Amino acid sequence: KNEVEQSPQNLTAQEGEFITINCSYSVGISALHWLQQHPGGGIVSLFMLSSGKKKHGRLIATINIQEKHSSLHITASHPRDSAVYICAVNPSLLNRDDKIIFGKGTRLHILP
Amino acid sequence: EAQVTQNPRYLITVTGKKLTVTCSQNMNHEYMSWYRQDPGLGLRQIYYSMNVEVTDKGDVPEGYKVSRKEKRNFPLILESPSPNQTSLYFCASSYFGGSYGDEQFFGPGTRLTVL
Repeated sequence: KNEVEQSPQNLTAQEGEFITINCSYSVGISALHWLQQHPGGGIVSLFMLSSGKKKHGRLIATINIQEKHSSLHITASHPRDSAVYICAVNPSLLNRDDKIIFGKGTRLHILP
Repeated sequence: EAQVTQNPRYLITVTGKKLTVTCSQNMNHEYMSWYRQDPGLGLRQIYYSMNVEVTDKGDVPEGYKVSRKEKRNFPLILESPSPNQTSLYFCASSYFGGSYGDEQFFGPGTRLTVL
């Protein structure tokens, strides 16, 4: 079982729909990241969270540390949001491991 | 402009021919890392470096070497490439890394094909 699981793996939606992508993890963490990768390959960091909620434009990321779960929401989705969204975690100091653990990504396709 | 650069962006080579992929960042970041990305497997960490002269293995280090002689550079070396190292490679950096957690900045990627 992967330490970071994302769902769904693939998601197709109509323009304007509210999108939710989920990330569950099984290790203690110090931070969780949401990354975006557009077709063509470049990866950008959207959010880094250690608690609560962050908002940037139409994107909202939340994290529940007790439940080991994070969600990425996109409001009023647009075809330019079509990309792969990747969840990644930094293990906590207690784990004594400096590796970063990635989910396998969620491929989002927004239809016009 | 703050950035992570990688070279080359595309490379086709043959089995056994040593190659180096360079990575450089201009943000004075302490943490640098190499990843490979394969269909169905996602991003996997190859090696990382918490600071100059400090490097550690990630999840898939076999067949790769790295060095961190200067803060800004973190080259990835394939001494004897094999076809199973055909992949998309990313370099990334952040102020801090590992358990401290920090926003990562990614390079544009290097698509490597080993024939």
